[in-house]
Amino acid sequence: AQKVTQAQTEISVVEKEDVTLDCVYETRDTTYYLFWYKQPPSGELVFLIRRNSFDEQNEISGRYSWNFQKSTSSFNFTITASQVVDSAVYFCALSEVKSGGSYIPTFGRGTSLIVHP
Amino acid sequence: KAGVTQTPRYLIKTRGQQVTLSCSPISGHRSVSWYQQTPGQGLQFLFEYFSETQRNKGNFPGRFSGRQFSNSRSEMNVSTLELGDSALYLCASSQAIDDTDTQYFGPGTRLTVL
Repeated sequence: AQKVTQAQTEISVVEKEDVTLDCVYETRDTTYYLFWYKQPPSGELVFLIRRNSFDEQNEISGRYSWNFQKSTSSFNFTITASQVVDSAVYFCALSEVKSGGSYIPTFGRGTSLIVHP
Repeated sequence: KAGVTQTPRYLIKTRGQQVTLSCSPISGHRSVSWYQQTPGQGLQFLFEYFSETQRNKGNFPGRFSGRQFSNSRSEMNVSTLELGDSALYLCASSQAIDDTDTQYFGPGTRLTVL
C-alpha cells in the first residue's frame, strides 16, 4: 500500500524567511509520480508540481524549489523568501503510474503554512 | 477559458437522504476526477471518469457513485447519507492526453449531513 507522511502539521514563519515542507513516502512500485498541491483558504486545490520517479533532478520555479531523493523516499518543498500569500495548506501526494494522464493519488495529511507579515 | 465549476457550492442534507453533486470541467477536458476531503480522513480519491467510463475507483462503499455525460460534465451521487459523509467534495479535470497533463480543481461542494 502507498503512504505519504507529512510530519509537520503546522509551520509558522515571518515573511521573507525560507521554509521547507517535508514529505516522506512509501511505495512498492518502481515507477510512480509525486505531486505537491497548494490549498488556499478558498478551498480550491492548486497543482504545483509533478515528478516522475525516474527524474531525480531538483526543480526550481521562482521562489519554489523541490528536492527529490529516492534514496530516502523524500520529496521536500522549499519556499524561499516566503510571502503572506504563501499561507495555505500544502499537500504532498503519490500516485502509481497509469497511462493516458490517469492518476490515483494518495495524499499526505497536509502542512498548514502560516506566513506572518 | 472558464475554470472547473461545481454546483451547488453548499448543501445541507439529513441522514438517509441522497445527494447529487455536479462538476463541469474545463472545455476540452475529457477526464473528471472526484475527491473527498474530511478533517478525519484527509483528502481521498473517489473515482475518475474518462469518455463516459469510470476509469479508476478509490476505496469507497457502493453508496458513492458517479457518471459522466457526453459533454464531459460529471455528477456524483451519494445515497443513504451518513454523518461521516459530511465533507468538501472536490472535482478536477484534465485533458488526459498523456502523463504531462495537469489537473485543474474546482472550488468544491461543501456537504453537511445532519
